[in-house]
Amino acid sequence: AQKVTQAQTEISVVEKEDVTLDCVYETRDTTYYLFWYKQPPSGELVFLIRRNSFDEQNEISGRYSWNFQKSTSSFNFTITASQVVDSAVYFCALKEGGSARQLTFGSGTQLTVLP
Amino acid sequence: DSGVTQTPKHLITATGQRVTLRCSPRSGDLSVYWYQQSLDQGLQFLIHYYNGEERAKGNILERFSAQQFPDLHSELNLSSLELGDSALYFCASSGGFGTGAEYGYTFGSGTRLTVV
Repeated sequence: AQKVTQAQTEISVVEKEDVTLDCVYETRDTTYYLFWYKQPPSGELVFLIRRNSFDEQNEISGRYSWNFQKSTSSFNFTITASQVVDSAVYFCALKEGGSARQLTFGSGTQLTVLP
Repeated sequence: DSGVTQTPKHLITATGQRVTLRCSPRSGDLSVYWYQQSLDQGLQFLIHYYNGEERAKGNILERFSAQQFPDLHSELNLSSLELGDSALYFCASSGGFGTGAEYGYTFGSGTRLTVV
C-alpha cells in the first residue's frame, strides 16, 4: 500500500535561513504523482507543485525548490531565505497509478519562521 | 479564491445530530473528493465522486454518506455525530479523466465542524 512519511513534525528557523522539508514515499507503481501543499494558519490547502514519476528534473520557483530522487523515494522541498510568511504546515502527498485518483498525504511538517 | 466553494465555513452541533456539508467544484471539474483533517488522524481520504458516480471510498464511516448531484455539486452527510467527528472537512475537485487536468487537485477552504 502507498505511504508518505514526513519525519519532521516541527521545524523552527530564523528568518533568512534556508530550510529543507523531507518527504519519503512508498509505492509499488512505476507511474505516480507527487505533490506539495501548504496550509497556512488560516487553514486552506494551497497547491505548490506536482511532479510525475517520469520527470526527475528538479524544479525551482522563486525561493522554493524541489529535489525528486527516485533512487531514495524522496521528494524534498527547500525554502531559501525563509520569511515569516512561510510559517505554515506543509504536506507532501502521493497519487498512485491505476484507477485510483485520491491523494495519500503525509502527516505534515509545521514550519515556524521566527523574525 | 481557489474556485472550490465549501459551505458552511464553521459548524457547531451537538452529539447525535446530523449535518450536511456542501461543496461546489471548480467550473469544469467533474471529480469531487472529500477529506477529513483531524489532529490524531491527519488528512484522510473519505470518498471520491466522478460525474455523479461514486468512484472510490476511503476511511469513511458508515454514519457518513455523500452524493454528487447533476450540477456536480456534492454534499457530505454526517449523522449520529460523536465528539471524535470534530475536524476540518475539505472538498477538492479535479478535471475529467484523460483531459490532463485530472491530477490538478484544487481544495476548498474547508468546513470546520465542532461537535459538543
